[in-house]
Parts: sequence; C-alpha cells; structure tokens
Amino acid sequence: GQNIDQPTEMTATEGAIVQINCTYQTSGFNGLFWYQQHAGEAPTFLSYNVLDGLEEKGRFSSFLSRSKGYSYLLLKELQMKDSASYLCAGGYGGSQGNLIFGKGTKLSVKP
Amino acid sequence: KAGVTQTPRYLIKTRGQQVTLSCSPISGHRSVSWYQQTPGQGLQFLFEYFSETQRNKGNFPGRFSGRQFSNSRSEMNVSTLELGDSALYLCASSLGQGPSTDTQYFGPGTRLTVL
Repeated sequence: GQNIDQPTEMTATEGAIVQINCTYQTSGFNGLFWYQQHAGEAPTFLSYNVLDGLEEKGRFSSFLSRSKGYSYLLLKELQMKDSASYLCAGGYGGSQGNLIFGKGTKLSVKP
Repeated sequence: KAGVTQTPRYLIKTRGQQVTLSCSPISGHRSVSWYQQTPGQGLQFLFEYFSETQRNKGNFPGRFSGRQFSNSRSEMNVSTLELGDSALYLCASSLGQGPSTDTQYFGPGTRLTVL
C-alpha cells in the first residue's frame, strides 16, 4: 500500500515556528495535500504541492521533494488557534485515483 | 455557496443492523467521496462517485456500498453493522477531478456508534 507517515504529536509555543514532516511512497504518486482539522470539525484544505519546492501562503508554507518522497508543512508565528491536527495526504493513481491520508499530527500550541 | 451537508449528524445502531448516510455536495460539484475516520486508523478512503458511477474504491468489505443520484447527492450504506464500524463518516465533494488531484471540501460528518 501507499503508506503516509507523519509524527503523532507535536508541541510548540505561541509565536514560534514549527515544521511538520511527512514521508510517502513515490510509486504512482500525483501530488501532496495538507489539511487542517480542529477537534470535532471537518478537515479543511491548506495546500497542494505537485512540483518540487516551497509554496508559501501567508503564515503557512508547504514543501515537496518528489525524489525523496518527503514533504513538510511550516507554520510561522504560531497562534493558539493553530492547535489542531494536520493531515498529510498523498494522491495516487492519476486524476481518478485514491487519496491516502496519514494518521495526522496533533499540534498543541502553548502560551 | 452552501457547504457540504451530511445527515444525520449522529446515529446509534446495534450490531447486525444497517444504516444509510446522506451527503449533499457543494452546488456544481460532481465528485463525491466518502471517508471513514477512527482514532486508530485515521482517515481512510471508502469510495468516490462521479456522474452516478463509482469511479474508485478503497479497501473496505462489500458491506460498505454507496450510490450517487443525478443531482450529485450521494448516500452510503453499511449493512450488518459491526462494533468496529463505529467511526466518523466524512463526505467530501470536488468539482470533477478525483480526490487524488482535486481539493476536497468536507462535510461535518456523521458520527456512527454501534452498540
């Protein structure tokens, strides 16, 4: 199968920077999504990387290395509201393929 | 635009029963995907429908089935419920490409508890 691996939990301080890593299997890979999910809520889209490199969107950036099967989500100037689970998801099998999620990284932001 | 809606939001059933969950996608979205979310396994892809046809299927037993109507609304059915089916069932819609390349817009989910 296409395993997506990411850390289970992370803790960071308000105002700091945190990097959440994700590794995935490269066979049949299309691109990589990051979703944010607050407790008790639905996941919401953060970013989608298809090409190698860094994509920046405000306080959030996402990086992809296709050859290494590696991605990270970078969160800057952390705020308390950033406490959530961050889901890494790999698209596989072409435009009509599957989306495989990691188990999520629960980020706790402390004052 | 209204978001993805799912009904019911909460459901309690007993083992052996069957259940039907409903999902209305965002207007104009033609692809609907279903996911199961549990603490142990995370989010797992069940299936995807487009134009009333199942276009892709995850690794779940045949007890899990679905359908899509001409207005893109979708239902999923779970027959002969087992305790392990207790989970949050999420529906997501997208414009037309499948979930592997298109941003998914998730509904609030149906929390199913099997006793």
